[in-house]
This record gives sequence, C-alpha cells and structure tokens, in this order.
Amino acid sequence: AQKITQTQPGMFVQEKEAVTLDCTYDTSDQSYGLFWYKQPSSGEMIFLIYQGSYDEQNATEGRYSLNFQKARKSANLVISASQLGDSAMYFCAMRGGGRRALTFGSGTRLQVQP
Amino acid sequence: GAVVSQHPSRVICKSGTSVKIECRSLDFQATTMFWYRQFPKKSLMLMATSNEGSKATYEQGVEKDKFLINHASLTLSTLTVTSAHPEDSSFYICSAIRWTGMSSYNEQFFGPGTRLTVL
Repeated sequence: AQKITQTQPGMFVQEKEAVTLDCTYDTSDQSYGLFWYKQPSSGEMIFLIYQGSYDEQNATEGRYSLNFQKARKSANLVISASQLGDSAMYFCAMRGGGRRALTFGSGTRLQVQP
Repeated sequence: GAVVSQHPSRVICKSGTSVKIECRSLDFQATTMFWYRQFPKKSLMLMATSNEGSKATYEQGVEKDKFLINHASLTLSTLTVTSAHPEDSSFYICSAIRWTGMSSYNEQFFGPGTRLTVL
C-alpha cells in the first residue's frame, strides 16, 4: 500500500521568502512518481512538479523545486520568492506499483503574508 | 496544455434526485479517467477508476450502485449520483491520464471540479 504524509496542516511565509512544504511517503515499489499540486480556493488542481523515483537530479520548475531524498522517502516542495498568489492548499501525491491513480497526502495550507 | 472539463461546475438538488456529472478530455484521448471526492478542508479521495469500454473499478467502501460511472467514449466519463442525500454533498473532481509512452511519467490532468449540494 502507498501512503503520503504531510505533517504541516498550515504554514505562513512572508512575501519574497522561501518556504519548504514537507512530504514523506511510504511504498514498497521500486518505480514510482511523486507529484505536487496546488489547489487555490477555486478548487482546481494545478500541477506543479514531478519527480520520478529513478531521477537522479531534483526536479525544478521555475520557482518550484523538489528536494528528493530517496533513502529518507521524502519529497519536500521548495517555493522560492513567495508571492501572494501562492496562498493555497498544496498536495503531495504519488503513483506507482502499477496503480495509475494518485494517492494524495492530507495537504498543507500555505498563507503568504505581505 | 491538455484540458479536462467538467460539467456542471456547481449543482444544487433535492434529496432523492439523481445528478449526472460529465468529465471530458478536450484535446486528447483518455482510456482511463478517475473520479475523486473531496470534503471541505480535506484531501482528495479516489472513488473509482473509469475504464473506456469496460466496467469501472471502485475503491473499497464506495457504493457502486450509488455512484454510477460510465466511460462511453475515449473523451467522456460520467458520474451519476443516484438518489442523492445531503451526505453526498461534496466536491467531485475527475482526472484523466494522457499517456506519453514513458512508463514512469504520464501526465495526469484534473477537471475544475463539481460542487454538489444536496438539500
């Protein structure tokens, strides 16, 4: 079974500062993918970044980077230079073991303060 | 990028009625779509996997007779909430996979969601 754990229900960050959102996962699969999604108040799920289990380099997408530590089974999202528009729920998710659906963590609500 | 649409975006119905939600992949074919349910301030919970041309695969605890899923074409899956009750009120989100041919990374796109309120 796969499990995603996000231990931070809520986070505050000052505008223009960096913030790290934690995500740990549990799986016995060798091949899997890790995802981060942003969900603003409108409800839409916005894909941010992907990391494959065999990827040796940490994924980066603009201001988003994924700090992938395979041995520790962690996949933290780092947002640099936070903006007010980054305020939203953030979900970590994984897919693997031949299962095509995503398993989501409980989410972290990020609030960026001016 | 690929787009997945959902209709309606919001629906209010009376208890006992049935509600159909459509999920469409607009610019790609999706042999597999997923239906998730999200309660306020909670995570997304997978309800079922919708397979084109075959029966849906439901997650444990999801009533297949209550949540009818039909995947009639490569671009359309529908979720029908039958005899809806107030406890069925929730945010329903569909997603579709666009296969890239790579085994570990296949893009998954989400619809904008449908907010169902049952009075």
